[in-house]
Amino acid sequence: DTAVSQTPKYLVTQMGNDKSIKCEQNLGHDTMYWYKQDSKKFLKIMFSYNNKELIINETVPNRFSPKSPDKAHLNLHINSLELGDSAVYFCASSPYRGSGEQYFGPGTRLTVT
Amino acid sequence: AQSVTQLGSHVSVSEGALVLLRCNYSSSVPPYLFWYVQYPNQGLQLLLKYTTGATLVKGINGFEAEFKKSETSFHLTKPSAHMSDAAEYFCAVILANQAGTALIFGKGTTLSVSS
Repeated sequence: DTAVSQTPKYLVTQMGNDKSIKCEQNLGHDTMYWYKQDSKKFLKIMFSYNNKELIINETVPNRFSPKSPDKAHLNLHINSLELGDSAVYFCASSPYRGSGEQYFGPGTRLTVT
Repeated sequence: AQSVTQLGSHVSVSEGALVLLRCNYSSSVPPYLFWYVQYPNQGLQLLLKYTTGATLVKGINGFEAEFKKSETSFHLTKPSAHMSDAAEYFCAVILANQAGTALIFGKGTTLSVSS
């Protein structure tokens, strides 16, 4: 069983479209995250949820909206996609908030054309 | 604010040679430090961590790192490189016991291993 899974693995779409990425963890962790990895492999936190509560919301365009229906799931919806949104998006989870020991999903490579 | 700096974006070694990947941190309070590895087209995997206690920490795959407060460093080493060690390595820091903080990653170091 995969600990942190993401779907889809690849997403190719056109500018202006709306898309979603789903994430699920089966580790029983309380905290989940979304990271963005750019073309230079730089990783940056976007959002974090703890037990369905938003606890970290970095400077991210409001076209990005996370949703956590329960503590095992964290989805990312992106409206009006732009070329600059092309990146790899990673979901991660940790046992508690503030933990640096995080478990990452395989990533979703988003390409906006 | 805390940050990490990884010296050298690319390190090349021969199989069997020592691996040394450098990381310096900046933090106003005691940090927790981590090394993560990313293999091609995969997510990140925790290699090792320093929180408190012993300053020499051992991780998976024969890697270890030493926390040196006086040098604000947390360099990653492995005595003998394997071809399978070729990957991207990230140093990361988080403020100790701060519930609302996030991991801050360095820019990564690509390790190449030649035969």
